[in-house]
Amino acid sequence: EPEVTQTPSHQVTQMGQEVILRCVPISNHLYFYWYRQILGQKVEFLVSFYNNEISEKSEIFDDQFSVERPDGSNFTLKIRSTKLEDSAMYFCASRRLTGGATDTQYFGPGTRLTVL
Amino acid sequence: AQTVTQSQPEMSVQEAETVTLSCTYDTSESDYYLFWYKQPPSRQMILVIRQEAYKQQNATENRFSVNFQKAAKSFSLKISDSQLGDAAMYFCAYRSSGNTPLVFGKGTRLSVIA
Repeated sequence: EPEVTQTPSHQVTQMGQEVILRCVPISNHLYFYWYRQILGQKVEFLVSFYNNEISEKSEIFDDQFSVERPDGSNFTLKIRSTKLEDSAMYFCASRRLTGGATDTQYFGPGTRLTVL
Repeated sequence: AQTVTQSQPEMSVQEAETVTLSCTYDTSESDYYLFWYKQPPSRQMILVIRQEAYKQQNATENRFSVNFQKAAKSFSLKISDSQLGDAAMYFCAYRSSGNTPLVFGKGTRLSVIA
């Protein structure tokens, strides 16, 4: 069964550094998402992406964040200058594009980001 | 804005017994979708079951079933014949129709006692 993959599984960085989190969505999926989960808290939506542009973003997704699909397979989340509070689990998700419930979002295994 | 509430931070169940996890949501929409995701210690998010709001029949997936009460805006998850591998965080999630993101509850941590 096809899966969403994410790399790295764990990233440790110093405050102020840039990080890029990578995701490979399921191949026939067209809609992509990033979510974040701070330890012990609920999963929060960051951004959705379709047709090479941002479709929707939350208030968390400020100017420090950006997303792109640099080629036909990867979908990346960049944090320009990391803060301590960016430490979290970051999940990528993808889905096809029919809008029904069977059009489920499938999640990757997550990248644990630790900012020191 | 839609909200999802899971009122049970923690639950426990004996192996082979049945447990029900609660979820309520708030929305003014009539067309939407509801999901339960499982997050084991590995922290991967795994879809357990989904329900379309327009369907009256409750969804079932093997040992997992839901009790969907649209008027009450309630969407509980029943796990029958609980197994040790069911121990995890369980998140209830809501999605409007169209290309909208998921809104998650805070989760319920389920422990299974051998």
